[in-house]
Amino acid sequence: DVQLLESGGGLVQPGRSLRLSCVASGFSLSSHGMSWVRRAPGKGLEWISATSASSPRTYYADSVKGRFIITRDNSKNTVYLQMTNLRADDSAIYYCAKERNYGDLDYWGQGTLVTVSS
Amino acid sequence: DFQMTQSPSTLSASVGDRVTITCRASQSISNWLAWYQQKPGKAPKLLISKASSLESGVPSRFSGSGSGTEFTLTIDSLQPDDLATYFCQQFYSYPGTFGPGTKVEI
Repeated sequence: DVQLLESGGGLVQPGRSLRLSCVASGFSLSSHGMSWVRRAPGKGLEWISATSASSPRTYYADSVKGRFIITRDNSKNTVYLQMTNLRADDSAIYYCAKERNYGDLDYWGQGTLVTVSS
Repeated sequence: DFQMTQSPSTLSASVGDRVTITCRASQSISNWLAWYQQKPGKAPKLLISKASSLESGVPSRFSGSGSGTEFTLTIDSLQPDDLATYFCQQFYSYPGTFGPGTKVEI
């Protein structure tokens, strides 16, 4: 079975950094693009970043460009999201999700909560 | 970037009703549209991909249609388990923009 397990969330002060991890199992990570999506309290889903299966190429939403970096280590079946210069409006549940073939997200992790507050 | 809108933002219906949610893209995305269901406290779940392709295991009361810039998600005979927020997402190109969501209340 496909499983995605996020970790690394927590309470962090504004301006600080945090790294989220997503461990994948049940499929070949090297064959699939992976995305990070977040949902802030009272808001909708926001796609924030993706890494393609090959190259790999990376993509970012304008709201996190220059502050967040997505990487992947296929040997560890893990995708990372390095978040720097965090702001209060980055507070959200962060989900990693597997891309099926073209960007549709067919499996999701349970999410990890990030709270940015002093 | 593509902008996605959804209507209505909230929908109140009764068990057995037919419910329709509309999603519009700011530019044509062909059929590169997905629908997700998110129940309170849970991760989103892919219901429909490529505008009308129902995912395995999703009840047949869910259906999707449309192409270009206008899409619909229909739930025939609404069930109590369908209480959730529904999001559309374009995957024509990155960023994979989501619509703002439609909360379905029973």
